[in-house]
Amino acid sequence: EVQLLESGGGLVQPGGSLTVSCVASGVTFSSYCMTWVRRAPGKGLEWVSSISGPGVDTYYADSVKGRFAISRNNAKNTLYLQVNTVRAEDTAIYYCAKDRRYGYAFGREFDFWGQGILVTVSS
Amino acid sequence: QSALTQPASVSGSPGQSITISCTGTSSDIGAYNHVSWYQQHPGKAPKLMIYDVSDRPSGVSDRFSGSKSGNTASLTISQLQAEDEADYHCSSYTRSTTVVFGGGTKLTVL
Repeated sequence: EVQLLESGGGLVQPGGSLTVSCVASGVTFSSYCMTWVRRAPGKGLEWVSSISGPGVDTYYADSVKGRFAISRNNAKNTLYLQVNTVRAEDTAIYYCAKDRRYGYAFGREFDFWGQGILVTVSS
Repeated sequence: QSALTQPASVSGSPGQSITISCTGTSSDIGAYNHVSWYQQHPGKAPKLMIYDVSDRPSGVSDRFSGSKSGNTASLTISQLQAEDEADYHCSSYTRSTTVVFGGGTKLTVL
């Protein structure tokens, strides 16, 4: 059974930085595109960023481009999201999610999700 | 990357059918058959219910079905049950190699 477990959330001041992590088990991690999706309070889901299995290709939403950085360590089955220059509107639950399809560079649909980690931006 | 448009809420009684719409543009829903639907109960992670417009992952009830016409996709839930009460989110692959989600629809089972 695939399991994804996020960590590293918390309170960060506006303009600050934070790194959230996601450890995967029960899956050949390096063979799947991984994605970060967030949900702000009272809002719907928002796609944030994706990274190909080998980690070569990265993709970002316009709202975070230039501020967030996605990366992965396949030897540790771990996905990362470094969030920089944070704003109040970045406050959300951040989910890591696995692509449904094996071996594709970009994930279109996500069949396994972590439970999410809360990032709160506030002074 | 404007969000797809979903109704904020829908409701139905047990045993009835409901349909949730999801409207996009010719750059997302209208361009590809890569529309997905997710169910999310409060405090839980989203669950994939439909992908590629109308395909169901293994284990998802056949009471859930999807369709698409032009720039609008739809999720239909038949024989509504109390446990179907949740938020439902649509998503689509886009021409910009991104994924766009809808604003989410809260389903209330009366």
